[in-house]
Amino acid sequence: AQSVSQHNHHVILSEAASLELGCNYSYGGTVNLFWYVQYPGQHLQLLLKYFSGDPLVKGIKGFEAEFIKSKFSFNLRKPSVQWSDTAEYFCAVNGGKGGKLIFGQGTELSVKP
Amino acid sequence: GAGVSQSPSNKVTEKGKDVELRCDPISGHTALYWYRQSLGQGLEFLIYFQGNSAPDKSGLPSDRFSAERTGGSVSTLTIQRTQQEDSAVYLCASSENRETYNEQFFGPGTRLTVL
Repeated sequence: AQSVSQHNHHVILSEAASLELGCNYSYGGTVNLFWYVQYPGQHLQLLLKYFSGDPLVKGIKGFEAEFIKSKFSFNLRKPSVQWSDTAEYFCAVNGGKGGKLIFGQGTELSVKP
Repeated sequence: GAGVSQSPSNKVTEKGKDVELRCDPISGHTALYWYRQSLGQGLEFLIYFQGNSAPDKSGLPSDRFSAERTGGSVSTLTIQRTQQEDSAVYLCASSENRETYNEQFFGPGTRLTVL
């Protein structure tokens, strides 16, 4: 069965610090990979996605993620976080052709000004 | 254009009552999904519609849960005889469901509280 594991439940950083959130998935076939973000009081928004091609994908607000197939990983990175990045971040996998997203447990990021 | 909308935004009900939650997907999106977000369980898939049919109902937790979609648009999720463990935020998402691009757009959710 598909599963997604996010290693960090709560991360606290100061502004300008670098961010890396871990995500590993378990799935035997071709996958589509996503990072969603949920800002306080707002609904889930897509941060970035990987379907195929260049394994380094860039998303909104300076975020990027790297798909490493051999490690079944899709870690999220940002070189310098801002207070406004405070949110919950969810990694998700979809086994292609539409269908459900399997989410990780989420990582709450708190950025101190 | 308009995003996914859900109603009501909040629902408080008593244990044992039935509730109906509504989702209006983005116009033209053929795929519609229901998820549940609760403490301790994270985000869980419930059911997926393609048009009016539901090829994947595997996430519905019990036979108290049902959903339908009419006209390839609006969907309702019904929970019968609600229990306290049903308390959660119920999220709806829609997508174009093309072969290679199936980004899902989420609504704001309905927060259900069962007393």
